[in-house]
Amino acid sequence: EAEVAQSPRYKITEKSQAVAFWCDPISGHATLYWYRQILGQGPELLVQFQDESVVDDSQLPKDRFSAERLKGVDSTLKIQPAELGDSAMYLCASSLDDTAGYLENEQFFGPGTRLTVL
Amino acid sequence: AQTVTQSQPEMSVQEAETVTLSCTYDTSENNYYLFWYKQPPSRQMILVIRQEAYKQQNATENRFSVNFQKAAKSFSLKISDSQLGDTAMYFCAFMNSAGTASKLTFGTGTRLQVTL
Repeated sequence: EAEVAQSPRYKITEKSQAVAFWCDPISGHATLYWYRQILGQGPELLVQFQDESVVDDSQLPKDRFSAERLKGVDSTLKIQPAELGDSAMYLCASSLDDTAGYLENEQFFGPGTRLTVL
Repeated sequence: AQTVTQSQPEMSVQEAETVTLSCTYDTSENNYYLFWYKQPPSRQMILVIRQEAYKQQNATENRFSVNFQKAAKSFSLKISDSQLGDTAMYFCAFMNSAGTASKLTFGTGTRLQVTL
């Protein structure tokens, strides 16, 4: 069964360092999402791509976070510099096509990257 | 902006019993979708059940069913014949009707523990 892949699964870094997370969506999925899940809370959308274009990045802290999906397939989320408050689980999800009916919008989640900033 | 509220941080149920998880939401939209997601410990989040707001009939998926009360903006999840594998965080989520940037808005989750 096709799954969303993420790496690394765990990352420990020091404050002010740069970190990067990678996501490979399910093959053929045009829409890709990055969520942040702080411990004890639900996931919050950071950025949404439709193919290689950003559709929604209104909650992305653009002074330190960046995301790209250059070829419309896999994606990288970067944080530079990392801050203590960035410690969280970073989830990637993909869906077949956001512009179609909602059945195509079903989001499939990856296992996440747990980031700890010391 | 839409908000989703789950007022039960933790719940416990014995194996084979039935448990109901609560969820309320706030929106001014008329067409939308509601979901329950399950996040087992150290495993990825998976969709449990979904409901279209325009459908009056409550959705059912095997042991999982919902009680959708549109006027009350309530969307509870009932798990029948609970199994140890149901132990997980459960998130209620809201999505606007299809279109661009149809993001999910999640509640804070309910941690369900199924015991012997």
